Amino acid sequence: GAGVSQSPSNKVTEKGKDVELRCDPISGHTALYWYRQSLGQGLEFLIYFQGNSAPDKSGLPSDRFSAERTGGSVSTLTIQRTQQEDSAVYLCASSSTLRASSTDTQYFGPGTRLTVL
Amino acid sequence: GDSVTQMEGPVTLSEEAFLTINCTYTATGYPSLFWYVQYPGEGLQLLLKATKADDKGSNKGFEATYRKETTSFHLEKGSVQVSDSAVYFCALSPNTGNQFYFGTGTSLTVIP
Repeated sequence: GAGVSQSPSNKVTEKGKDVELRCDPISGHTALYWYRQSLGQGLEFLIYFQGNSAPDKSGLPSDRFSAERTGGSVSTLTIQRTQQEDSAVYLCASSSTLRASSTDTQYFGPGTRLTVL
Repeated sequence: GDSVTQMEGPVTLSEEAFLTINCTYTATGYPSLFWYVQYPGEGLQLLLKATKADDKGSNKGFEATYRKETTSFHLEKGSVQVSDSAVYFCALSPNTGNQFYFGTGTSLTVIP
């Protein structure tokens, strides 16, 4: 079946512009994660969605970052007034687990490479 | 707070060599531990996992044992192949909260 998909695969933007990154999780997966991978860094947790519950936004680095998940499926990560330090690969993952921090497997998308000039 | 530290790369080995990639963790309680792998041009995928102390995760000839006394989860393979060339990430999942903690990744290149 189809895996997690993300779009666009690459995004180049100018400093100060807003960007939207999209994630399509595996059908039926209730849990969805966003991560950021900066050059030479590990994956940094950003936000977690579980069904219709309020998202865990504890990893968002600033109020310029926000995310939505419509209908419990597709998610959009929005970065407002982008800065050069926002340049990174943004990864989305989904899981069928009903509880975070479970041992269930996370399935990752290919990522969106964001470059802020 | 919780964290994962893994050995820095890049690592270059000849085919059939023995591989060890070190991973240590800091966590309260009893986390679950994972190794993820990212092959060139592909997304991260789970390689193996262990959910409690002394558990051994294994897959594709790779093994890692959850050692609580040394807070380690080192990845090993007895004989690497060219197709094992990838970036390997150690990860931790606490038993509370929603976060996963990943290491910085170790790049492995296996040469024929």
